[in-house]
Order: sequence, then structure tokens, then C-alpha cells
Amino acid sequence: DTGVSQDPRHKITKRGQNVTFRCDPISEHNRLYWYRQTLGQGPEFLTYFQNEAQLEKSRLLSDRFSAERPKGSFSTLEIQRTEQGDSAMYLCASSPKYPRDGASTDTQYFGPGTRLTVL
Amino acid sequence: GESVGLHLPTLSVQEGDNSIINCAYSNSASDYFIWYKQESGKGPQFIIDIRSNMDKRQGQRVTVLLNKTVKHLSLQIAATQPGDSAVYFCAETRSQGNLIFGKGTKLSVKP
Repeated sequence: DTGVSQDPRHKITKRGQNVTFRCDPISEHNRLYWYRQTLGQGPEFLTYFQNEAQLEKSRLLSDRFSAERPKGSFSTLEIQRTEQGDSAMYLCASSPKYPRDGASTDTQYFGPGTRLTVL
Repeated sequence: GESVGLHLPTLSVQEGDNSIINCAYSNSASDYFIWYKQESGKGPQFIIDIRSNMDKRQGQRVTVLLNKTVKHLSLQIAATQPGDSAVYFCAETRSQGNLIFGKGTKLSVKP
């Protein structure tokens, strides 16, 4: 499978614990995005990287959230001191630098997401 | 296709009929639009896109129409099949920025 992958698919944690999610983008995609989706809503932007540089962060990304993409390939999203309000689906997407087959550099391809439940 | 609160608008169609899903976008500066399909428990799946210099684009069984005057986007699905049942989101962006998603419409296809 050459799509975006995310790990774990599901995470249940207790309030106050730290969690870390991983995203592996499609090979050679230079941009990587993180979104959060709650039930019944569309995904909301959190942050994005171009190669290893974090270029934009949403106001949704509180101080408890940190994201990295150290080598410009995979990325991690860490949430410290989790709260019940952090329960959501965390989605990762990537977009190509050199699109193929009529695709665009703006087209974002999503992974399956990590479902976080904070008890 | 607009939603109120947390309730997704629902479109119910008979198998074989055509479906039209509507979306209003917010930013007149957006220049790229995408339709995604999302099945329960899965990530959004790319369906079709359109740039702001176009008003129509066709794919396999799907057509996207863009009306920039009223900031409206629609997705037409021809000969709807049970496998098309999902939530459909429109998304807008500008120059490789982050996507801004609409509220979503749940499509139910009756066999």
C-alpha cells in the first residue's frame, strides 16, 4: 500500500497522559498536514510541514500539542496532559511536489486516521 | 446541503438515480476546491477537484460544478450505487495552504 499510513489506528488513554501519533506520508510528498475531526464535523486544520519545516499552526494547536517532522519524511503529533476534549480522529494528509496523472500540488491525500479516546 | 449545528444534512436516493450534493464555500480568494468521500471510520478519500478558472470538471460518474459568483460548489454523481453511500465533504484552499472543509452531507443509497 503506497498511501498515507497512520499509527496507531486507535488509542484509548486516561486524562492527563501523554500520547504520540505517527504519520507516514506518500513517498516523495513534500507537504504533510495534520487535521482533527470530531463527530459530525469536517476535518479542522492543525498544522503543516513543507519538508522538515513547520510552516503554519492553527489556533487549535494549544501548547499541549507539538508536531515534528525531523527528516522531512514521517511526522509525529504529541499531545501532553490529554483532556477529554482532545477525543477526536486525528488525520494526516500529504501532497506531492511533483504530481502525476493529472493530480495537483494542492491535492491532499488522507490517511485512515488515529481515533483518540480520552477517558 | 447546508448543515445546522451538529446535524449532517442527509440525501437519500434510489440506486441508479443521479445525486446532487451542494456546498457553499466561504473564501472568495480560494482558488482550488476538492470533493472528498468519507466512509465510517476511514479517512477522507479524494474524488474530484476543480480550479477557480474552471466552472465544470468531469470524472468517472462524477461532475463538479463551480459558481464563483455565489460561492457555490456541487457534486453530481451519475447512476448512484450503494457503494456511494458515505459522507461527502467539499473543501477549499488557496495556494497549497490548508484545506477548509464544509459541514458534510450524508448520502444514503437505497437498493
